[in-house]
Amino acid sequence: AQKVTQAQTEISVVEKEDVTLDCVYETRDTTYYLFWYKQPPSGELVFLIRRNSFDEQNEISGRYSWNFQKSTSSFNFTITASQVVDSAVYFCARPSYNTDKLIFGTGTRLQVFP
Amino acid sequence: EAQVTQNPRYLITVTGKKLTVTCSQNMNHEYMSWYRQDPGLGLRQIYYSMNVEVTDKGDVPEGYKVSRKEKRNFPLILESPSPNQTSLYFCAIRRNYNSPLHFGNGTRLTVT
Repeated sequence: AQKVTQAQTEISVVEKEDVTLDCVYETRDTTYYLFWYKQPPSGELVFLIRRNSFDEQNEISGRYSWNFQKSTSSFNFTITASQVVDSAVYFCARPSYNTDKLIFGTGTRLQVFP
Repeated sequence: EAQVTQNPRYLITVTGKKLTVTCSQNMNHEYMSWYRQDPGLGLRQIYYSMNVEVTDKGDVPEGYKVSRKEKRNFPLILESPSPNQTSLYFCAIRRNYNSPLHFGNGTRLTVT
């Protein structure tokens, strides 16, 4: 199987709260990549980050950080001190290993209230 | 910066009236693809192209055609649109297999 699972359908937080979006993936590969995308209310899909299976170090970019753990097949995304502009649907994705496409999770809708 | 231009952004049409959604890129990437996004079904690949004159079906190709006559353009053609093709469509490009996809801004199509 090649599923990407985002179990959290919707999360609501108040501004300045930290929030973690979960992503669990299935893979039989030893080498693979994972991605996160953001889809704001305007509808476009914005690439956020790519990680490869060689590197389990956490990645931090401003208020965003990603925790990649091969042992649990998880690639979680944390927003620190959330802001209203973070309100969006967030997708985790991985390349398919037998067809040329990205497999997306079902997305987590994050609502940040002022 | 990768730029993928889709047109139009919004389109309302009637059943059976042929339409084309255009997609062009400024990165000279060989790979281009089309996805549709539907509530509850997520993002599904329609067609993809590995190079000029090389196209292949994705997960949901029925009712769609594509062409890749030149590297920068990859139009999506609906010969006879039906209401079940009402969706949000995205064109995407990437540099190589493990590169991220970069998406256009989307085309919201409504077929009545």
